[in-house]
Amino acid sequence: DAKTTQPPSMDCAEGRAANLPCNHSTISGNEYVYWYRQIHSQGPQYIIHGLKNNETNEMASLIITEDRKSSTLILPHATLRDTAVYYCIVRPTQKTSYDKVIFGPGTSLSVIP
Amino acid sequence: EAQVTQNPRYLITVTGKKLTVTCSQNMNHEYMSWYRQDPGLGLRQIYYSMNVEVTDKGDVPEGYKVSRKEKRNFPLILESPSPNQTSLYFCASSLLGTGGLADTQYFGPGTRLTVL
Repeated sequence: DAKTTQPPSMDCAEGRAANLPCNHSTISGNEYVYWYRQIHSQGPQYIIHGLKNNETNEMASLIITEDRKSSTLILPHATLRDTAVYYCIVRPTQKTSYDKVIFGPGTSLSVIP
Repeated sequence: EAQVTQNPRYLITVTGKKLTVTCSQNMNHEYMSWYRQDPGLGLRQIYYSMNVEVTDKGDVPEGYKVSRKEKRNFPLILESPSPNQTSLYFCASSLLGTGGLADTQYFGPGTRLTVL
């Protein structure tokens, strides 16, 4: 059973912000939200994570709603190299809460020239 | 360089011929995991391990075995491969339960397996 749901695909014009939503309505208080992306068939790469506050790093920003039931990954100025599949997952903060990881099919983002 | 390595990267085999895909990490990570990826289905977890001699089933464990005798290695074993195990396989590792950035998973480059 998926813990997160994402739209299957999205388009974004090059240079514009890409906003990728993720629903995690059953998230518990001790779970982080992580975002990864996969370019072609390479191994997925970490982008960003958050618990309850909004986060920003050199790659992206993560906005988490106050109730923590959804989040949005923002790529501020999308380039063609951002075309990839983006995955949103949740993982617990404590060893005792670890369970299997469910990635789901993710969102296929196409950045259009 | 911190990395997860997998071997082989490509493998074509026949039904029923036992095979092992190796996975090794050099980051002293407790957590290791195997995923398979099929078109339209994203990444599905096969098995995971939270430490040496501790393994558990993921979402799709049927037809696979794993072992964790050393912290750095986590081989995936297909005792009797079948065509429905044709897929792209990824190994991943991470720290465990430290919270946040340290728990991010590092993925290997993938192994493309074809079972005829």
